Amino acid sequence: DGGITQSPKYLFRKEGQNVTLSCEQNLNHDAMYWYRQDPGQGLRLIYYSQIVNDFQKGDIAEGYSVSREKKESFPLTVTSAQKNPTAFYLCASSSRTGYTEAFFGQGTRLTVV
Amino acid sequence: GIQVEQSPPDLILQEGANSTLRCNFSDSVNNLQWFHQNPWGQLINLFYIPSGTKQNGRLSATTVATERYSLLYISSSQTTDSGVYFCAAHTGTASKLTFGTGTRLQVTL
Repeated sequence: DGGITQSPKYLFRKEGQNVTLSCEQNLNHDAMYWYRQDPGQGLRLIYYSQIVNDFQKGDIAEGYSVSREKKESFPLTVTSAQKNPTAFYLCASSSRTGYTEAFFGQGTRLTVV
Repeated sequence: GIQVEQSPPDLILQEGANSTLRCNFSDSVNNLQWFHQNPWGQLINLFYIPSGTKQNGRLSATTVATERYSLLYISSSQTTDSGVYFCAAHTGTASKLTFGTGTRLQVTL
């Protein structure tokens, strides 16, 4: 089945540790995105990538890093510099940045204690 | 950047009732999507509708781009329609979808 796979669904980490969230898509989409959602809020953009080996900061990139070495994969690292990392993280992709329909993965719920 | 506002923020309906959710946006758009976020957090695509009207079963959506709003209609609501409905918009000057804060819908028996 074509789609976007995020793993794991739930992740627990101790404060001060870096953690990497996985996002893989088999839709042959060029653009990929990471969003963060806090309880009762809408989604905010962390990073996006329009093409392999290129990515841009979104509205809340501080404390996060990404890579785009393969078209199918766009992992997000939550670093110890992120002050409030506990949140729900959603990955999305679209065939072209912004202009075409975006599809989302099932999300990763990160809890930092 | 573009501002996206949704109303109402909360809505409680009895099963079988109809409802209209509204999304206002502050700039012209080339992408407007409606999503349903289920209780497990997954965003389900409902409509990709930068302009015009579309229907899918009990749901339909209309975007009037010149007046900068979109409407989502839910007819004969069911308890499975409960959740949060988001609209998200994209303008030509940005490379992202900007989300509204959502409408939380609860359908009761």
